[in-house]
Amino acid sequence: KAGVTQTPRYLIKTRGQQVTLSCSPISGHRSVSWYQQTPGQGLQFLFEYFSETQRNKGNFPGRFSGRQFSNSRSEMNVSTLELGDSALYLCASSLVSQGLTDTQYFGPGTRLTVL
Amino acid sequence: DAKTTQPTSMDCAEGRAANLPCNHSTISGNEYVYWYRQIHSQGPQYIIHGLKNNETNEMASLIITEDRKSSTLILPHATLRDTAVYYCIPSTSSNTGKLIFGQGTTLQVKP
Repeated sequence: KAGVTQTPRYLIKTRGQQVTLSCSPISGHRSVSWYQQTPGQGLQFLFEYFSETQRNKGNFPGRFSGRQFSNSRSEMNVSTLELGDSALYLCASSLVSQGLTDTQYFGPGTRLTVL
Repeated sequence: DAKTTQPTSMDCAEGRAANLPCNHSTISGNEYVYWYRQIHSQGPQYIIHGLKNNETNEMASLIITEDRKSSTLILPHATLRDTAVYYCIPSTSSNTGKLIFGQGTTLQVKP
């Protein structure tokens, strides 16, 4: 089975721009979670989507948003980029059985640099 | 969410067992203990998880104390490729889509 894929792998943007990152989960996985990793804050949970609905949300401003499509693929969007948004953005997918989420499988991440 | 305490860093000789401790004294009864690791510049990788009983898989063993306030991840024969940051994460089975990562332990396996 193919693993979790994320595109693009690297991205450079300038302050004030917006960006969309994409995540394709493992086939059959219905839950997709997003995380931000920075040297200062470590790995932080952004949000989780299941069946096209946001099921969990972390403590991030409204500039961070996401969505999930009917094929479980997910995108996250960051608007009005700030220098502090420079980070590795990780996507993870999980099986969901009887409403319970299994272990997460992470993608390689998208490295976003904001200049 | 239960808080965890892990050593910031540990060293281990190649071929020896690596024992990584984690304190999770506020863990609730329905929270599992999950272990993930992150090799430099890669996405985190699931290792093992358990609730009460000790667990073993092809990667590692997990020892959970009887009072569930702490656990130890054991890599039986560490290799250089096991050099990584190891995270101990309590999570309920209904909430594993939202993992709360702490600072983890940086394990350096040395030749």
